[in-house]
Amino acid sequence: NAGVTQTPKFRVLKTGQSMTLLCAQDMNHEYMYWYRQDPGMGLRLIHYSVGEGTTAKGEVPDGYNVSRLKKQNFLLGLESAAPSQTSVYFCASTYYWAGPQHFGDGTRLSIL
Amino acid sequence: ELKVEQNPLFLSMQEGKNYTIYCNYSTTSDRLYWYRQDPGKSLESLFVLLSNGAVKQEGRLMASLDTKARLSTLHITAAVHDLSATYFCAGVYNTDKLIFGTGTRLQVFP
Repeated sequence: NAGVTQTPKFRVLKTGQSMTLLCAQDMNHEYMYWYRQDPGMGLRLIHYSVGEGTTAKGEVPDGYNVSRLKKQNFLLGLESAAPSQTSVYFCASTYYWAGPQHFGDGTRLSIL
Repeated sequence: ELKVEQNPLFLSMQEGKNYTIYCNYSTTSDRLYWYRQDPGKSLESLFVLLSNGAVKQEGRLMASLDTKARLSTLHITAAVHDLSATYFCAGVYNTDKLIFGTGTRLQVFP
């Protein structure tokens, strides 16, 4: 059972480039989340989804877009990468609103 | 807007000792989560506390929730080196949004 899988694990971008991070879960979870983790700041919610075809903004949504076309996948897009978006990105999913969130291994993204 | 504060931010403790990590939150949160993160790794769910007075225990860790005081605690009993990690609490607002504390980095030494 793979759980939550994030692709890629590492990436280096130049300022202004765009890219998409992929999160896939095989647990049939309804809820999926994207977070970023910066040193000394804990995790901050970027966007989330409560079901296929739905998305909503979290704490820090600016500069990011998301899509949930299939229940098992949640994509995070950076439209025009900026150095301030250098971070570790985590995806998480849960089966119902009060359940524990299951996290992927993270994507370490550096923007030069 | 919900704010979550943990203290201490760093905790160095001797094996065999007891200690408590505190998690205060600013507004109503209908549940409280605790997670563990090892360096360079993902987050692992420890506890979900759903109601006032909830207490959950797993091994040497015990978590409790006091919604009236807006306080959750994570108590460590007879610490061992394997408990060294960063511990996060997270509250919830607008039903679905988790707000994390900044974490408590725990180091247990012999």
